[in-house]
Amino acid sequence: GDSVTQMEGPVTLSEEAFLTINCTYTATGYPSLFWYVQYPGEGLQLLLKATKADDKGSNKGFEATYRKETTSFHLEKGSVQVSDSAVYFCALSDNTNAGKSTFGDGTTLTVKP
Amino acid sequence: DAGITQSPRHKVTETGTPVTLRCHQTENHRYMYWYRQDPGHGLRLIHYSYGVKDTDKGEVSDGYSVSRSKTEDFLLTLESATSSQTSVYFCAISPGQGGAFFGQGTRLTVV
Repeated sequence: GDSVTQMEGPVTLSEEAFLTINCTYTATGYPSLFWYVQYPGEGLQLLLKATKADDKGSNKGFEATYRKETTSFHLEKGSVQVSDSAVYFCALSDNTNAGKSTFGDGTTLTVKP
Repeated sequence: DAGITQSPRHKVTETGTPVTLRCHQTENHRYMYWYRQDPGHGLRLIHYSYGVKDTDKGEVSDGYSVSRSKTEDFLLTLESATSSQTSVYFCAISPGQGGAFFGQGTRLTVV
């Protein structure tokens, strides 16, 4: 079956540091890929998405590129802020039922001033 | 924010009692989902719906049932709650493509 493997956390960075959270997947066919973010006490929010190979999703300074050859969708940000502290989830789904997703276990990011 | 409301937000119940969680949307999206979130397991799909009265099982459906009699409402029922069902439950909605939108969650404790 489908699976998503995320870089284990927690990750602690200083403000303005470069962020990478690794995500690799196993799936049949050509899934859509997503990153979601969860702030304390809240539900998940869609951060960015990519629906086909070589697509780059971006939002709020975060980026991720759909790499079919390495089955990866790594999340990056050039300069993190304290407000980026949250749990980040990588997920995949088929292209017609985007909420029926397989999620990674989540990576907790803490950014210190 | 997408128009999703979960109720109740917190609930404590006793083992063996029935519990119903409600998800209400104002977006008129076709798809609705129930997930549970547990430490070390990420989110796992319980059930989902692709239309009124059309539902299907997810990865962890045992001990749960769902109903969708109106487009806007999706109910999750624990027929006889057990301690292993202590979790945070999230409802999500989707138009089909482009990702999902999640509610604020319901924290359920079974004692």
